[in-house]
Amino acid sequence: DTGVSQDPRHKITKRGQNVTFRCDPISEHNRLYWYRQTLGQGPEFLTYFQNEAQLEKSRLLSDRFSAERPKGSFSTLEIQRTEQGDSAMYLCASSFLTGEQYFGPGTRLTVT
Amino acid sequence: DQQVKQNSPSLSVQEGRISILNCDYTNSMFDYFLWYKKYPAEGPTFLISISSIKDKNEDGRFTVFLNKSAKHLSLHIVPSQPGDSAVYFCAASASNAGNMLTFGGGTRLMVKP
Repeated sequence: DTGVSQDPRHKITKRGQNVTFRCDPISEHNRLYWYRQTLGQGPEFLTYFQNEAQLEKSRLLSDRFSAERPKGSFSTLEIQRTEQGDSAMYLCASSFLTGEQYFGPGTRLTVT
Repeated sequence: DQQVKQNSPSLSVQEGRISILNCDYTNSMFDYFLWYKKYPAEGPTFLISISSIKDKNEDGRFTVFLNKSAKHLSLHIVPSQPGDSAVYFCAASASNAGNMLTFGGGTRLMVKP
């Protein structure tokens, strides 16, 4: 397995547009996590799935953010009506039920 | 309220010497602690972890120490190599909270040849 992959690696969008990011986790992993990292800060937890169930979503930054993992494999993170403050690195990680999380390379979003 | 803090934003050491990176936490529910290394434009790479039932875990050149009473952990790298130069993040999780990670702000380590 090649690890966690994310697509796209970079996204530039205009304010007000919707964007969607994809994450493919390590295939044997049950859990999938989304984080956001802004410059000079550590990653900040957004939401996570166990198989296809979204077990925590209260940390999503606003109702413009949503995530899905429809078949318990890949996941998507959507941001509607993007704002300049959404510019950040969006990271996906996966793990077994316990243990360390393995991160993908991230998607860097720039909102102009 | 920062539950995980790395008070040193940067650290510079000579190649071959020991690097010690520190991390403090406030949440008593944290029971699993991890260190990640991050290069620019890449995702964090897992280095080493420790469960709250232990006070030390070693993996090659990397050792993590946990002092639960002080709510403090540290990462020791011996000997330090120029390729270790990166940003290091401390993270903590609670098993009763889905293991979501709470990260510190990071410490930039520079190892000089």
